[in-house]
Amino acid sequence: GAGVSQSPRYKVAKRGQDVALRCDPISGHVSLFWYQQALGQGPEFLTYFQNEAQLDKSGLPSDRFFAERPEGSVSTLKIQRTQQEDSAVYLCASSLKRTGGEAFFGQGTRLTVV
Amino acid sequence: DQQVKQNSPSLSVQEGRISILNCDYTNSMFDYFLWYKKYPAEGPTFLISISSIKDKNEDGRFTVFLNKSAKHLSLHIVPSQPGDSAVYFCAASEAGGSEKLVFGKGTKLTVNP
Repeated sequence: GAGVSQSPRYKVAKRGQDVALRCDPISGHVSLFWYQQALGQGPEFLTYFQNEAQLDKSGLPSDRFFAERPEGSVSTLKIQRTQQEDSAVYLCASSLKRTGGEAFFGQGTRLTVV
Repeated sequence: DQQVKQNSPSLSVQEGRISILNCDYTNSMFDYFLWYKKYPAEGPTFLISISSIKDKNEDGRFTVFLNKSAKHLSLHIVPSQPGDSAVYFCAASEAGGSEKLVFGKGTKLTVNP
């Protein structure tokens, strides 16, 4: 595809439910990032992959959050036992270069936990 | 503790005039700075960037200035157009790090016709 694609665009989950958010990066992009954006805030880093290797997961808020990119392309962010404070927009970004260079963002998945 | 600060939540300018958006940072290890533009219900879109070895970068109507001693950068848009109305995010990354971006909270720019 032409850009970073995320699905679903919107997700409503009941508290305690598990959710999985998908990201299709731009073809050939080495680096993939997940960010969380709360209302009125800037995006906050969650985790980073270089190809299939998860090199930085320092931003994951708890062990309920898990991300994978098994074949170095599509990535999934999984949140177990969702809580109300998990409600946010989850943004995926990819970039071509291993170092430096701008990241291209998807439209995001808006997660609402009720 | 916010490492990247955008102290103006909003800015309103007249079409044709200059828009100046400001950003301050505290982490001296940041060496690459970017501006992103975001429309409602869309992801951020890359606008312009600057490396710490430069103090100015220009791309059409957009110019970014970096003052390392003051840990300050600014984005100038001239002339401003109504289509520039959006939220602008300043972001920074650290040398030798994972390339993750640290974002400010954003400034909502409104350009009035």
